[in-house]
Amino acid sequence: DAMVIQNPRYQVTQFGKPVTLSCSQTLNHNVMYWYQQKSSQAPKLLFHYYDKDFNNEADTPDNFQSRRPNTSFCFLDIRSPGLGDAAMYLCATSRRTESSYEQYFGPGTRLTVT
Amino acid sequence: DAKTTQPPSMDCAEGRAANLPCNHSTISGNEYVYWYRQIHSQGPQYIIHGLKNNETNEMASLIITEDRKSSTLILPHATLRDTAVYYCIVRYSGGGADGLTFGKGTHLIIQP
Repeated sequence: DAMVIQNPRYQVTQFGKPVTLSCSQTLNHNVMYWYQQKSSQAPKLLFHYYDKDFNNEADTPDNFQSRRPNTSFCFLDIRSPGLGDAAMYLCATSRRTESSYEQYFGPGTRLTVT
Repeated sequence: DAKTTQPPSMDCAEGRAANLPCNHSTISGNEYVYWYRQIHSQGPQYIIHGLKNNETNEMASLIITEDRKSSTLILPHATLRDTAVYYCIVRYSGGGADGLTFGKGTHLIIQP
């Protein structure tokens, strides 16, 4: 089945130690998104790629970066994780069309910072 | 994106219809109403969307008032697996790649 895959599902990192989360998709969608969801809160968009074009949300901290080497893969890099970055990180994809569209979400990676 | 207002929580008996309301009084003419849900520890899942006509798919029905200032998501025969947070999102219909702006949603609890 076509899907959005996130690895690992659970990630533990130390305070200040860089960490990378990965997302892959078999849907061949041209847009990929990263959301952050803290405990008991709604998901919050960090940034997205439309093909190779990177679009950062205005309030996304510089500590968060992203790479998209090809259509299928997208990475979230946290350069120096703080305790406040502990959250669920959700990857999503969509196919940009002229009309409405839906987003397909992966299961998320839960990040713990110790 | 226009803002939405949803009740923070609702209960529904298993097997009954669950009706989830959403107010979006500032919606503009070119904005769709989307519904997503998030089951505990999973990613959000698309349910349905509409512009001004009522819509139905295999998961749910969406009823949009004539003035488009509110809508209701209907799960016709709720099961325990429908327990989740349901998000009503209003979004520009002109396409594009912008992300979703989630509100606080409604935590729907299906009671056995």
